Amino acid sequence: QLQLQESGPGLVKPSETLSLTCTVSGGSISSSSYYWGWIRQPPGKGLEWIGSIYYSGSTYYNPSLKSRVTISVDTSKNQFSLKLSSVTAADTAVYYCARLAVAGTLVWFDPWGQGTLVTVSS
Amino acid sequence: SYVLTQPPSVSVAPGQTARITCGGNNIGSKSVHWYQQKPGQAPVLVVYDDSDRPSGIPERFSGSNSGNTATLTISRVEAGDEADYYCQVWDSSSDHPYVVFGGGTKLTVL
Repeated sequence: QLQLQESGPGLVKPSETLSLTCTVSGGSISSSSYYWGWIRQPPGKGLEWIGSIYYSGSTYYNPSLKSRVTISVDTSKNQFSLKLSSVTAADTAVYYCARLAVAGTLVWFDPWGQGTLVTVSS
Repeated sequence: SYVLTQPPSVSVAPGQTARITCGGNNIGSKSVHWYQQKPGQAPVLVVYDDSDRPSGIPERFSGSNSGNTATLTISRVEAGDEADYYCQVWDSSSDHPYVVFGGGTKLTVL
């Protein structure tokens, strides 16, 4: 059974860079039918897609975050990572990683990691 | 950018049918996916590609999509169905395709 687990600091200072890693177990991150993605959810609010990556390194980013986001993949460790620069309090959220099933224009997330809360505060 | 509109809340009595809508411009031409999120938990896929159910999801969950509205229908609602529900599409209409989520609907079981 595929599982995803987020890891990284729970507290980041304003203007610094948020860094998270998602470790995939029970399957290979190099599977040809899937992308891997990050989604966040501010406290009490809805879901926001951050971006996605293929094992080859091809990426898609949310246009509203693109200038601050970098997503990378390490197939040797079965991991992918998120970096979000110049963070502010508005970036405080639970960050989820998830697998994206892709079939043409069909793109959905399943399964999801448990999520990790990142707070931006000095 | 493409916008998905959901009602903030829907209430239903146990045993009744809940219908949660997701509105978008010509959404019927896109594939819609639905997630259930219970408090303190990660979202779970309950319907994909408009009306298909992942393994392990009860048949009580169904979906439809036509025109400008997609609908998640939950039949014979149970207390355990109380959760937030989100619709999602992939918008490939521009040079920069991206994922769009609806704002979410809180389902309350009375």
